[in-house]
Amino acid sequence: SQTIHQWPATLVQPVGSPLSLECTVEGTSNPNLYWYRQAAGRGLQLLFYSVGIGQISSEVPQNLSASRPQDRQFILSSKKLLLSDSGFYLCAWSPGLKEQFFGPGTRLTVL
Amino acid sequence: SQQGEEDPQALSIQEGENATMNCSYKTSINNLQWYRQNSGRGLVHLILIRSNEREKHSGRLRVTLDTSKKSSSLLITASRAADTASYFCALFSSNTGKLIFGQGTTLQVKP
Repeated sequence: SQTIHQWPATLVQPVGSPLSLECTVEGTSNPNLYWYRQAAGRGLQLLFYSVGIGQISSEVPQNLSASRPQDRQFILSSKKLLLSDSGFYLCAWSPGLKEQFFGPGTRLTVL
Repeated sequence: SQQGEEDPQALSIQEGENATMNCSYKTSINNLQWYRQNSGRGLVHLILIRSNEREKHSGRLRVTLDTSKKSSSLLITASRAADTASYFCALFSSNTGKLIFGQGTTLQVKP
């Protein structure tokens, strides 16, 4: 069966520090991968998605970037965090143009 | 807006009652999906209904889709305290290849 992992689960970082969140998927190959951000009490905002290694589509221009160095690895990064980067970050995968399966999320607090 | 608009934003009912959540949208879709999110956790896919389907059932869940009115509803019958969560509709269009989430309905089921 397929599983999706995210780490860390929680993170507290100072403004201006770098960020690296990692997401890995097991039990499938060539998944579509997604990064979302969720503000408190709100819906999900799609940040990036990838249909293959090295292929990244950015949805919202902002202080973040994404990379897919391996087929089942998706990384969300920032060189310098802003206060507004705080939120709940969710990684998801899908086998194609169907339902998505979400990881447990990373709670990021920027102070 | 491409996203679904959910109604109500919050719903509080007693255990055993039925809960109905609605989702309206403006774009054309290939399918509409419903997800559940427990507080601080990732989203879990509940059900997918295709644009050529009108109703779908899964256990205590019943989803309807009216493409002429561009609306969908999620009915949870005989609710339980464990159904307490946020519920999101998500719209999929093959034109964009993306899943767009609504803002969600927060459901509280009181024991």
